[in-house]
Amino acid sequence: ELKVEQNPLFLSMQEGKNYTIYCNYSTTSDRLYWYRQDPGKSLESLFVLLSNGAVKQEGRLMASLDTKARLSTLHITAAVHDLSATYFCAVDISSARQLTFGSGTQLTVLP
Amino acid sequence: NAGVTQTPKFRVLKTGQSMTLLCAQDMNHEYMYWYRQDPGMGLRLIHYSVGEGTTAKGEVPDGYNVSRLKKQNFLLGLESAAPSQTSVYFCASSVYNEQFFGPGTRLTVL
Repeated sequence: ELKVEQNPLFLSMQEGKNYTIYCNYSTTSDRLYWYRQDPGKSLESLFVLLSNGAVKQEGRLMASLDTKARLSTLHITAAVHDLSATYFCAVDISSARQLTFGSGTQLTVLP
Repeated sequence: NAGVTQTPKFRVLKTGQSMTLLCAQDMNHEYMYWYRQDPGMGLRLIHYSVGEGTTAKGEVPDGYNVSRLKKQNFLLGLESAAPSQTSVYFCASSVYNEQFFGPGTRLTVL
């Protein structure tokens, strides 16, 4: 059974600071996804990582994938309040592209 | 192009009542999914479909049934609702390596 673990579950950080969210998973996969969810809203796709060593960046967010370590990271650079949200990683190990989600990291960026 | 839409947005049921949630997508995607999201948790897969006329069980299928009679629609049914089914339900459709999520249905079972 695939397990996906994120840490931390809660993160409070000041504007301008850097931090990293970690996503570990238990079964070999080379397809990992990061989503953002605002309160009461749906999921917004941030990154799709499809191979070992994949790195993608968008604005202040950068995601990477190490399939050998079964680890993905979401790095936040110089955080701003608008980044406050819950971030989920999800792993896909099937041909039907079923996603198994982590529990999410609730990020609060303080002024 | 509306993407993935869900009907209804909110619903309150009494224990034992039945209802059907409708998911529609206009992107001609083959794969469709139903997930539920409970407070403080990630999404969990209920059922999915890899094409018209096909369905399969996901991680938490008990108490739910689905149908995919048309490619663009994926229905989720609750035959006899229970308080444990209080949740937010998300539908998604997929092409290649990306899933597109609907806005969600917030269901409360009293």
